[in-house]
Amino acid sequence: DSGVTQTPKHLITATGQRVTLRCSPRSGDLSVYWYQQSLDQGLQFLIQYYNGEERAKGNILERFSAQQFPDLHSELNLSSLELGDSALYFCASSVPGQGDNEQFFGPGTRLTVL
Amino acid sequence: GQNIDQPTEMTATEGAIVQINCTYQTSGFNGLFWYQQHAGEAPTFLSYNVLDGLEEKGRFSSFLSRSKGYSYLLLKELQMKDSASYLCAVRSDYKLSFGAGTTVTVRA
Repeated sequence: DSGVTQTPKHLITATGQRVTLRCSPRSGDLSVYWYQQSLDQGLQFLIQYYNGEERAKGNILERFSAQQFPDLHSELNLSSLELGDSALYFCASSVPGQGDNEQFFGPGTRLTVL
Repeated sequence: GQNIDQPTEMTATEGAIVQINCTYQTSGFNGLFWYQQHAGEAPTFLSYNVLDGLEEKGRFSSFLSRSKGYSYLLLKELQMKDSASYLCAVRSDYKLSFGAGTTVTVRA
């Protein structure tokens, strides 16, 4: 158990819908990262937040957005869902002051778009 | 952008040694990471290299040559539980880019 929690564990929805994935980092970790892992694309970095502020952006679609709240939990919002958005979505957090060298991954949310 | 290459699959015998190579092309290199991922589970951190040389951590060692854009992960005394996917990742600025992963199968 990494200490990072993600809800829900599984999510099944239809094309065109909107969903919200939630992540709680380890106690004391200020950085939260979101990743998407699909069979054909591998693990792709989406976005990073540090203490409530966006720090880095990767291959995140405009239909996707994220935020980090004052209590440091984060949410990833996916809208106008397409079949290709079906994937495992991981959240990770890292220890502040150590260059973010080790990221601790949550168990992931498996999203299925039908 | 990043270009990270690693072999797709490797097979080895229990108790043996396996070396997984990773080559990369990147701008603004700021560290190379290895993660282990069992099927259906989250990746777990194995190692981090930012300077050239070998980092040893128990049965696992990782090597980096920045001038060659090359790293390897060495797994010694293989155990059945080491059967997993091993992901090479390169950090540039704050972004971590992952290779497609090498699936290692350990046979008895």
